Amino acid sequence: QSVLTQPPSVSAAPGQTVTISCSGSSSNIGKNYVSWYKQLPGTAPKLLIFENSKRPSGLPDRFSVSKSGTSATLGITGLQTGDEADYYCGTWDSSLSFGVFGGGTKLTVL
Amino acid sequence: QVQLQESGPGLVKPSETLSLTCAVSGYSISSGYYWGWIRQPPGKGLEWIGCIYHSGSTYYNPSLKSRVVISVDMSKNEFSLKLSSVTAADTAVYYCASDSSGYSYDFWGQGTLVTVSS
Repeated sequence: QSVLTQPPSVSAAPGQTVTISCSGSSSNIGKNYVSWYKQLPGTAPKLLIFENSKRPSGLPDRFSVSKSGTSATLGITGLQTGDEADYYCGTWDSSLSFGVFGGGTKLTVL
Repeated sequence: QVQLQESGPGLVKPSETLSLTCAVSGYSISSGYYWGWIRQPPGKGLEWIGCIYHSGSTYYNPSLKSRVVISVDMSKNEFSLKLSSVTAADTAVYYCASDSSGYSYDFWGQGTLVTVSS
């Protein structure tokens, strides 16, 4: 199982808002920046959010992140069919100095 | 913009060593960044394998550490992954990626499927 815990799936209708949680521990999320990735079927993951809440240029502000203690949450407002994808959280674990990912969450736009 | 391209055998026999190379363009490895390998078994999530800093420092997933070696060839501007004693559980799409901050992978290769089978 993954070091970071995400719900396997979430769903919502177009235009709605959805949140995806990522739970870790004091040695990873509690101590380091969290990043989020979007992966479409058959393609490489793409960086969505870095350093907890920063967005690469060009990414709409429909995507936001909150972080509290050992958990982080990705929020997507105004859902579009193009948002349908797998989403992964990732960070660094300082206990043994290695990278970690969540198990991924499949977002379905109904 | 950094571009990465994985290359290597698509089929490896059990107990042998998996070897992949990632060619980097658009940025000189010697200038900085972390350079990582991530894999994804078919239908499953991402697994971090390890990374190397431009200085040569390496970091490995504890669960794979005894079998993994990541190295850099500055003259060719590429870095490599070697995973020894492979089994069917190592069958996955292997991605190489660049990390400019130390915390997130901003550019990824397209990935290469490696199947472990006799």
